[in-house]
Amino acid sequence: GENVEQHPSTLSVQEGDSAVIKCTYSDSASNYFPWYKQELGKRPQLIIDIRSNVGEKKDQRIAVTLNKTAKHFSLHITETQPEDSAVYFCAAQGWGGADGLTFGKGTHLIIQP
Amino acid sequence: EPEVTQTPSHQVTQMGQEVILRCVPISNHLYFYWYRQILGQKVEFLVSFYNNEISEKSEIFDDQFSVERPDGSNFTLKIRSTKLEDSAMYFCASRMTGRTDTQYFGPGTRLTVL
Repeated sequence: GENVEQHPSTLSVQEGDSAVIKCTYSDSASNYFPWYKQELGKRPQLIIDIRSNVGEKKDQRIAVTLNKTAKHFSLHITETQPEDSAVYFCAAQGWGGADGLTFGKGTHLIIQP
Repeated sequence: EPEVTQTPSHQVTQMGQEVILRCVPISNHLYFYWYRQILGQKVEFLVSFYNNEISEKSEIFDDQFSVERPDGSNFTLKIRSTKLEDSAMYFCASRMTGRTDTQYFGPGTRLTVL
């Protein structure tokens, strides 16, 4: 089955700086890669996603890049703000195989004021 | 904006007891999921459900677990005989259609097994 690795487990950045979180996946058939933000005690909320026919997608301060050849994808947050502090999870979903999402272990992003 | 809802928010039970976790998916969604998240760990897929039957289940989803859509709106997860290691946050999710459509998560039920 699919396996998703996520790094780093904790990331501390100064407010206003950029943050980058990286994930790799194992199943070359995976074709959908969402990113979820989870604040303490709350539900995971989708912040951005990318499908395998696209190499990059941007939504205001958030962008995701996908390298299918290397089987990795990354989340980029620019001009970080205190409200960006949360745990971020990457996930992958296959085409012909698993219907459920396979999640990475999460990155605890801390924005230092 | 429509949201997935779950009840109860917190369930405490004794080991060996049966529990039923309830979810109301978004009304026009066709695919339903249960995930669990042990404290401090990643979210793990349990089961997916479509057209009134299980479409896929993970290794975690053993004979102690079952799912049901008893009516047109509810989607339930039953754990027949709870174990200490079943203590976790259980999330329900739903999506409209299409494998790469967004899955929307509910707020979760925190299950504590004593």
